[in-house]
Amino acid sequence: KAGVTQTPRYLIKTRGQQVTLSCSPISGHRSVSWYQQTPGQGLQFLFEYFSETQRNKGNFPGRFSGRQFSNSRSEMNVSTLELGDSALYLCASSSAGDTNEKLFFGSGTQLSVL
Amino acid sequence: GESVGLHLPTLSVQEGDNSIINCAYSNSASDYFIWYKQESGKGPQFIIDIRSNMDKRQGQRVTVLLNKTVKHLSLQIAATQPGDSAVYFCAENLDGAGAQKLVFGQGTRLTINP
Repeated sequence: KAGVTQTPRYLIKTRGQQVTLSCSPISGHRSVSWYQQTPGQGLQFLFEYFSETQRNKGNFPGRFSGRQFSNSRSEMNVSTLELGDSALYLCASSSAGDTNEKLFFGSGTQLSVL
Repeated sequence: GESVGLHLPTLSVQEGDNSIINCAYSNSASDYFIWYKQESGKGPQFIIDIRSNMDKRQGQRVTVLLNKTVKHLSLQIAATQPGDSAVYFCAENLDGAGAQKLVFGQGTRLTINP
């Protein structure tokens, strides 16, 4: 079974631009979560989607948004990029998104904002 | 486990020795805990999990101990190998409403000396 796939692997943008990151969960998984990882703040929860609905959201500004498609693939979008958005963005999937389920992570998209 | 970032605690052990990585979590209502391993350039990899109704769980070469009284979690790795070198994160699930919203600790860098 293929793991969680994230594209692109690396991305360089400039301030003010917007960016879209893509995530394909493990086949059969219906829950997709997004996390931001930085050296200063560590791993922080962005949001979680299940059956095309956002079920949970972290403490990030509205510039961060996401969506999930009927095939469970997910995208996250960051608008009006700021230097502080430079981070590794990780996607994770689980089967049904229950509280006690394991999350399986992808390798992430490394975003650099110049 | 609320991540405060900045300096990553480091643990150095000799190959073949046992390692113990500690983690303090933040919410007494958390009911699910996970340990992840992250190697350079990769996403977090699931190691072992434990529910709040347990105080110990064993896997292959790893044991997780949970002390709810002092909100402490530990990961024991037996007979460490060079491949165990990585950053280890504990995570707690703060949302008991059937959805996942993991809060990660700051991480501990484990280095195995030959």
